[in-house]
Amino acid sequence: DTGVSQNPRHKITKRGQNVTFRCDPISEHNRLYWYRQTLGQGPEFLTYFQNEAQLEKSRLLSDRFSAERPKGSFSTLEIQRTEQGDSAMYLCASSPGLAGTRTGELFFGEGSRLTVL
Amino acid sequence: RKEVEQDPGPFNVPEGATVAFNCTYSNSASQSFFWYRQDCRKEPKLLMSVYSSGNEDGRFTAQLNRASQYISLLIRDSKLSDSATYLCVVKTSYDKVIFGPGTSLSVIP
Repeated sequence: DTGVSQNPRHKITKRGQNVTFRCDPISEHNRLYWYRQTLGQGPEFLTYFQNEAQLEKSRLLSDRFSAERPKGSFSTLEIQRTEQGDSAMYLCASSPGLAGTRTGELFFGEGSRLTVL
Repeated sequence: RKEVEQDPGPFNVPEGATVAFNCTYSNSASQSFFWYRQDCRKEPKLLMSVYSSGNEDGRFTAQLNRASQYISLLIRDSKLSDSATYLCVVKTSYDKVIFGPGTSLSVIP
């Protein structure tokens, strides 16, 4: 399977615990995006990368959230001291960037669903 | 004000109907525009890009008005399989991609 892969698919944790999600983008895609989605809402932008460089982090994101893409391939999203309001689907997407044949098309993974008790 | 806004929905229409979705965006420097479709409990997928001259793909027609910062999607002859959430998407400079809140469509037999 050469699509975007995310794991774990589901995570249940207690409030105050730390969680980490991993995203493996499509090979050679240099753009990688993280979004958060709750029921009935569209994907909310969190952050994105060009290779290993983090280009922007949403102002809505607290300091408890951090993302990395250390070698320009896979990425991790960590949430520290989780709160019940963090419960959501966390979506990762990749894009070939400017060299893509359909500029702007994002290819999404199936998401990681977080439930904070 | 949100960067991308859409009709709140939901839209419930009979098969064969024509339905229109509206979207506005706040950043006048936005460069590219798209409509994505998201089925229930699935990830979003690109439906079509939106070009300044307007473009059509079968039963789907997308239009862009840069002066008004307005995007639309028209679906003709609705099918049951068109039932989904339609997401208006804007790509800003530096390739930041912003999604609207989505409009849910249910096509009823």
